[in-house]
Amino acid sequence: EVQLVESGGGLVQPGGSLRLSCAASGFTFSDHYMDWVRQAPGKGLEWVGRTRNKANSYTTEYAASVKGRFTISRDDSKNSLYLQMNSLKTEDTAVYYCWMATPTGDYWGQGTLVTVSS
Amino acid sequence: DIQMTQSPSAMSASVGDRVTITCRASQGISNYLAWFQQKPGKVPKRLIYAASSLQSGVPSRFSGSGSGTEFTLTISSLQPEDFATYYCLQHNSYPRTFGQGTKLEIK
Repeated sequence: EVQLVESGGGLVQPGGSLRLSCAASGFTFSDHYMDWVRQAPGKGLEWVGRTRNKANSYTTEYAASVKGRFTISRDDSKNSLYLQMNSLKTEDTAVYYCWMATPTGDYWGQGTLVTVSS
Repeated sequence: DIQMTQSPSAMSASVGDRVTITCRASQGISNYLAWFQQKPGKVPKRLIYAASSLQSGVPSRFSGSGSGTEFTLTISSLQPEDFATYYCLQHNSYPRTFGQGTKLEIK
């Protein structure tokens, strides 16, 4: 069974940093592209970014709203996905989900809440 | 960036109704569109991929159509469990972009 479990959320001050993790199991993590999606309280879904797999040089893509501040990485040896968030703003407050989409289905973690507030 | 505009933003309907939600892309995206359902307090779930392909396990009352810039999600006969928020997502180019969502409520 595919499982994605996020961790690392919490309260951080504006300008601060936070690193989210997503632990994956139940599938061959190293084969897959992985995404981060976020959802501000009471708002819609926003795609944050993607990391490709080793075969595609682990290249990344980002939403304009986070580019230059957020960095997505992965450690295939640990079946883990990361989101390093720097220079956080109040508008980054959201539940952050890791997400994997395949032709046969899509899989979401339960999400981790990041609150940016002074 | 490609903008995705859903309509309506909210609607109310009754069990048994036929419902259509529209998603319009600011430029052509071929058929690189997915539809998601999200119930309160739950994670999203993909219903449709490639504009019209039904995800395995999703009831056949859900269907998708369209290509280019205009897409629709149709629920042929609403069931009580279908009341939720629906989102479209374009995956033709980066950055990926979601529509703003359509909240479907019980009339």
